[in-house]
Amino acid sequence: AQKITQTQPGMFVQEKEAVTLDCTYDTSDQSYGLFWYKQPSSGEMIFLIYQGSYDEQNATEGRYSLNFQKARKSANLVISASQLGDSAMYFCAMSANAGGTSYGKLTFGQGTILTVHP
Amino acid sequence: DGGITQSPKYLFRKEGQNVTLSCEQNLNHDAMYWYRQDPGQGLRLIYYSQIVNDFQKGDIAEGYSVSREKKESFPLTVTSAQKNPTAFYLCASSSGQGNQPQHFGDGTRLSIL
Repeated sequence: AQKITQTQPGMFVQEKEAVTLDCTYDTSDQSYGLFWYKQPSSGEMIFLIYQGSYDEQNATEGRYSLNFQKARKSANLVISASQLGDSAMYFCAMSANAGGTSYGKLTFGQGTILTVHP
Repeated sequence: DGGITQSPKYLFRKEGQNVTLSCEQNLNHDAMYWYRQDPGQGLRLIYYSQIVNDFQKGDIAEGYSVSREKKESFPLTVTSAQKNPTAFYLCASSSGQGNQPQHFGDGTRLSIL
C-alpha cells in the first residue's frame, strides 16, 4: 500500500519569497510517480509537476521545482518568487508502478494550505 | 477545448433518495476516476475505470455505484445506502499510465436537505 504524508497543515510566505512544501511517501514499489496539484478555493485541481522514481534530475516547471530525495522518500515542492495567486491548497500524490498496470490511480496526502502575504 | 465537464455544480439530496453526478470527458482518455473530498481533507478514491464496461472499487466504494457504457462518460450514483454523502466530488481522467497526470473536472458539491 502507498501512503503520502504532508506534515504542514498551513504555511505562510511573503510575496516574492520562496517556499517549500513538504511531502514524504511510503511504498514498496520500485517504479512510481510523484505529482503535485494545486487546489484554489474554487475547488478545481490543477496539475503542477511530476517526478518519476527513476528520473535522475529534479523536475522543474516554471516557478515550481520538485526536490526529490529518493533515499529519504521525500518529494518537496519548491515555489520560487511567490505570488498572491499562489494562495491555495497543495496536494502531493503518488502513483504506483508508473507505466505498468496501476491504471494511473493516485494516492493523495492531506494537503497544505499556503497563504501568500503581500 | 478538451476537458472534463461535471454537472451539476451543486446538488441537494433528500433522505432515502439516489442522486447521479455526471462526468463527461473529450480528452480521449481510457481511464476515469471518482474522488470524494471532505472539508480540509485530501481526496479519496471511490471508483475507477480503465476501459469501457469495466470498473473497479476504490477505497470508499460503499454506498456508491458507477457505470461506464461510453468512453466519454462515467456517471456516479450516490445511493441512499451512503449515510454521510455531504462532500465535494471530483471526477478525473487520464491515459491510464502511472506517469501521466490526471485531469480533473470542476467538481460537484453534494448536500443533504
